[in-house]
Amino acid sequence: ETGVTQSPTHLIKTRGQQVTLRCSSQSGHNTVSWYQQALGQGPQFIFQYYREEENGRGNFPPRFSGLQFPNYSSELNVNALELDDSALYLCASSLEVSAKGGNEQFFGPGTRLTVL
Amino acid sequence: RKEVEQDPGPFNVPEGATVAFNCTYSNSASQSFFWYRQDCRKEPKLLMSVYSSGNEDGRFTAQLNRASQYISLLIRDSKLSDSATYLCVAPNSGGYQKVTFGTGTKLQVIP
Repeated sequence: ETGVTQSPTHLIKTRGQQVTLRCSSQSGHNTVSWYQQALGQGPQFIFQYYREEENGRGNFPPRFSGLQFPNYSSELNVNALELDDSALYLCASSLEVSAKGGNEQFFGPGTRLTVL
Repeated sequence: RKEVEQDPGPFNVPEGATVAFNCTYSNSASQSFFWYRQDCRKEPKLLMSVYSSGNEDGRFTAQLNRASQYISLLIRDSKLSDSATYLCVAPNSGGYQKVTFGTGTKLQVIP
């Protein structure tokens, strides 16, 4: 096990609602990245938090927002849910990222979000 | 060119076979690469890291070809338990420290 936990495991929401997903990183890891994975696709980068600051963002609209707390746990918030937001949301923790690229990331089990 | 590109497969191979997957990347400055394994409806799990020309771990060998900008994963003596989707990961050129996942290559090992 990676020691990365996510909650809840499953969630069903309706269009227009808001959702908060949570992630606890592996002990000692100060970087958390969030990904969206649609069926049959690879994980798509949403954003990354490093020492409580957003450290990069993928091609996701502003209604996707996040937080990182002093203990390095993190939240992903999605407002005004759309049907296409239905996906597996993965959080990955790592040590601080090297200057030239990514570092080994360890994933939590994910939250499966269904938007009706 | 896509940042990371993989053949989606599926690759159907008999037990005991050797199978290889390739993954091309676009960021020539990339220094580190990863292969992850993902089982159906589960999270990706780190399989191998590649920081130089290659890496070997038991039946698994990853190789990096910087000139042609691709990495490969070789699995020898395939087991039924190797059936999964294999995701290639490379740093992208976004100007900050993030990585891009390929869409994955599905492997099915047949008895």
